[in-house]
Amino acid sequence: EQQVQQSPASLVLQEAENAELQCSFSIFTNQVQWFYQRPGGRLVSLLYNPSGTKQSGRLTSTTVIKERRSSLHISSSQITDSGTYLCAMSNYNVLYFGSGTKLTVEP
Amino acid sequence: DMKVTQMPRYLIKRMGENVLLECGQDMSHETMYWYRQDPGLGLQLIYISYDVDSNSEGDIPKGYRVSRKKREHFSLILDSAKTNQTSVYFCASRDSYEQYFGPGTRLTVL
Repeated sequence: EQQVQQSPASLVLQEAENAELQCSFSIFTNQVQWFYQRPGGRLVSLLYNPSGTKQSGRLTSTTVIKERRSSLHISSSQITDSGTYLCAMSNYNVLYFGSGTKLTVEP
Repeated sequence: DMKVTQMPRYLIKRMGENVLLECGQDMSHETMYWYRQDPGLGLQLIYISYDVDSNSEGDIPKGYRVSRKKREHFSLILDSAKTNQTSVYFCASRDSYEQYFGPGTRLTVL
């Protein structure tokens, strides 16, 4: 059973548009982390957001634990934002990952 | 700056050969992980280590073993590698809240 579901699977934007990525969990968690990955690259932690709203630059994450969901909003997208965004939830020291949202930002 | 390193970055082996993947971290984190990432399957947990000589199987431990003799080093060993172990392997360590990943090792088993 996939414990973390992400949507959409892929997203194509024009530069400067905003993006909204969704993540839902099948079990309770109190630790949610968003990562960014270029093809074949390292996973880079973007935001650790166990609950509420947290912002880092153009990124805003909102986690509603009781509804078992988290979202990542990317404002004013740039071409360099292209890549895969992974949501992960932690349960007893184990991090479970979604399949990711592949974002492509075009000029 | 927190750092997780992996060696080698690229490795080609023949089926049946032994493989050693190394991971290091300079943050004194107790908990470390090995994952593999395959297209369409996402990241799968192979092993988790809670500290020196305290290791637990993850979701896909078959065909792998690990060694952690020092807190800063965590090794993944493939005894007699198989072609279906061709993948990108990521090591990670964790503080109280976040996981930090290494750059990955791309392993090809021919």
